[in-house]
Amino acid sequence: GAGVSQSPSNKVTEKGKDVELRCDPISGHTALYWYRQSLGQGLEFLIYFQGNSAPDKSGLPSDRFSAERTGGSVSTLTIQRTQQEDSAVYLCASSHTLALLSNQPQHFGDGTRLSIL
Amino acid sequence: KQEVTQIPAALSVPEGENLVLNCSFTDSAIYNLQWFRQDPGKGLTSLLLIQSSQREQTSGRLNASLDKSSGRSTLYIAASQPGDSATYLCAVSGAGSYQLTFGKGTKLSVIP
Repeated sequence: GAGVSQSPSNKVTEKGKDVELRCDPISGHTALYWYRQSLGQGLEFLIYFQGNSAPDKSGLPSDRFSAERTGGSVSTLTIQRTQQEDSAVYLCASSHTLALLSNQPQHFGDGTRLSIL
Repeated sequence: KQEVTQIPAALSVPEGENLVLNCSFTDSAIYNLQWFRQDPGKGLTSLLLIQSSQREQTSGRLNASLDKSSGRSTLYIAASQPGDSATYLCAVSGAGSYQLTFGKGTKLSVIP
């Protein structure tokens, strides 16, 4: 596709359930990033991938959060045993290379709005 | 730990006015600084990226400046239009770091 695609656009689920969020980056982009945008908290970096590898997972807020990327393309962010504080917009971005070392901008998707009841 | 502050949090101006949005950061050891635009319910659109060695970047009616030593950046919007209404976010990357640290944004409303 022309841009970064995220699905679902909205997700409402009950506390304690697992959720899976999907990101389809721009074709050919090797770097992929996940961010979380909470009301009043601003944008928070979660994790990045270079190819299928995630060298640093320290941005993930707890061990209930995990992410993977297969085939150097689609990535999924999984949240297990969801809590109300997980409610936020989860944004995905991609870039040609590791953007911050090549001064290339990151291209963002429209995000998944997650609401935990 | 890098902290990014944007002032004001919200701004309302009449159409046609020139305006300035401010961004400050606590650690001057940055790799680059980016300005983004976010429309309601949408992701971020990159507007301008300034490398640490640069002083400013221009794109159309937008001009961004960077004073790395003082930890400040400004985004100047000339001849504002209602279509400019959005939230503007400033983000910095630390040297050698892949992480972007964002400010909380300035919500701009341009009144017709």
